[in-house]
Amino acid sequence: DIQMTQSPSSLSASVGDRVTITCRASQSISHYLNWYQQKPGKAPKLLIYAAASLQSGVPSRFSGSGSGTDFTLTISSLQPEDFATYFCQQNDATPLTFGGGTKVEI
Amino acid sequence: QVQLVQSGAEVKKPGASVKVSCKASGYSFTDYFVHWVRQAPGQGLEWMGWMNTNSGGTNFAQQFQGRVTLTRDTSISTAYMELSRLRSDDAAVYFCARGDSPHDFFEIWGQGTMVTVSS
Repeated sequence: DIQMTQSPSSLSASVGDRVTITCRASQSISHYLNWYQQKPGKAPKLLIYAAASLQSGVPSRFSGSGSGTDFTLTISSLQPEDFATYFCQQNDATPLTFGGGTKVEI
Repeated sequence: QVQLVQSGAEVKKPGASVKVSCKASGYSFTDYFVHWVRQAPGQGLEWMGWMNTNSGGTNFAQQFQGRVTLTRDTSISTAYMELSRLRSDDAAVYFCARGDSPHDFFEIWGQGTMVTVSS
């Protein structure tokens, strides 16, 4: 199975901050990496697919980069509604696997 | 609009089975796969398996082999996930999600179904 390791597991930030979350795969997954945002009691929401493609309707302050084993999600200017938990997911091979999550707190 | 609507919360005893439904609307049900993902309280996301809603084919993560059954009723655009021999560590929110293929990302999710396992 492909292991996905996210860091940090949590972070504290302020509105307007630039936030970067990383995700590392245990083997190369090319660009098959996706990012989700999840708020308490809700289903995950797709933000970025194929490492760098912005899902329709997602604000442009979210961006993704990387390929192979190392990936990054960046929020250029944190907004109040961005405080949530973020997960990466690989879809290069089954079993599909997720990172452990990064909780972004005030 | 495109949506997946899941059945309500369940409380089950250890050793019992639970069956969760996922009703699709707003698109052609058999054009997409349905994946199942679970999330234990305060934990991350765990992929369980997928169903090809057209052929009925399925694939599961190793840890669920022999305990999970995925079915569908195309006449009502509904997919089902049944988990048997429940244990306390099966307590989680179970999500269905729509995918284009067996290897995919998930744009559309159900709202989740909480399963409590308690004696």
